[in-house]
Amino acid sequence: EPEVTQTPSHQVTQMGQEVILRCVPISNHLYFYWYRQILGQKVEFLVSFYNNEISEKSEIFDDQFSVERPDGSNFTLKIRSTKLEDSAMYFCASRSRVAGRSYEQYFGPGTRLTVT
Amino acid sequence: GQQLNQSPQSMFIQEGEDVSMNCTSSSIFNTWLWYKQEPGEGPVLLIALYKAGELTSNGRLTAQFGITRKDSFLNISASIPSDVGIYFCAGPSSGSARQLTFGSGTQLTVLP
Repeated sequence: EPEVTQTPSHQVTQMGQEVILRCVPISNHLYFYWYRQILGQKVEFLVSFYNNEISEKSEIFDDQFSVERPDGSNFTLKIRSTKLEDSAMYFCASRSRVAGRSYEQYFGPGTRLTVT
Repeated sequence: GQQLNQSPQSMFIQEGEDVSMNCTSSSIFNTWLWYKQEPGEGPVLLIALYKAGELTSNGRLTAQFGITRKDSFLNISASIPSDVGIYFCAGPSSGSARQLTFGSGTQLTVLP
């Protein structure tokens, strides 16, 4: 069964450094998302991406964040200058446009980002 | 923004018992999704509900879409140790991106 994959599984970085988190969504899906989950809290929406552009973003997704789909398969989240409070699990998700199932999002296993 | 409240926050049950948890919203949702998350993993979709009043099963799991469209329920029958995890309800936004709003989760522990 197709699944969303993410790399790396764990990233440790120093405050102020740039990180790039990578995702390969399910191949026939058209909508892509990044969410984050701070330890012990609920999953929060960051940004959605469709047709090669951002379609929605949350207040969390400020100028330090950017997303890109550099080729036909990868979807990346870049944090330009990491802060301690960026430490969290970051999940990529994707969904298709199949009628009747178009709201179902499938999540990757996540990247644990630790900023020291 | 939309808020989803889940209860209970945590549950400790004996293996073999049935479990019931619910999710309520401050606004109407047209779809309800239930996910399970195990430690260090991403949320896994369990059940999707698309119609008010709908009752849908996935093995020992049964979920219902409340008639008011402001609530949903998840039941697990005959719990087993691998049911341990956090169960989240989620609903899509009304905007074009349909990003999900998640509830705060119900932590389930199954005691042998």
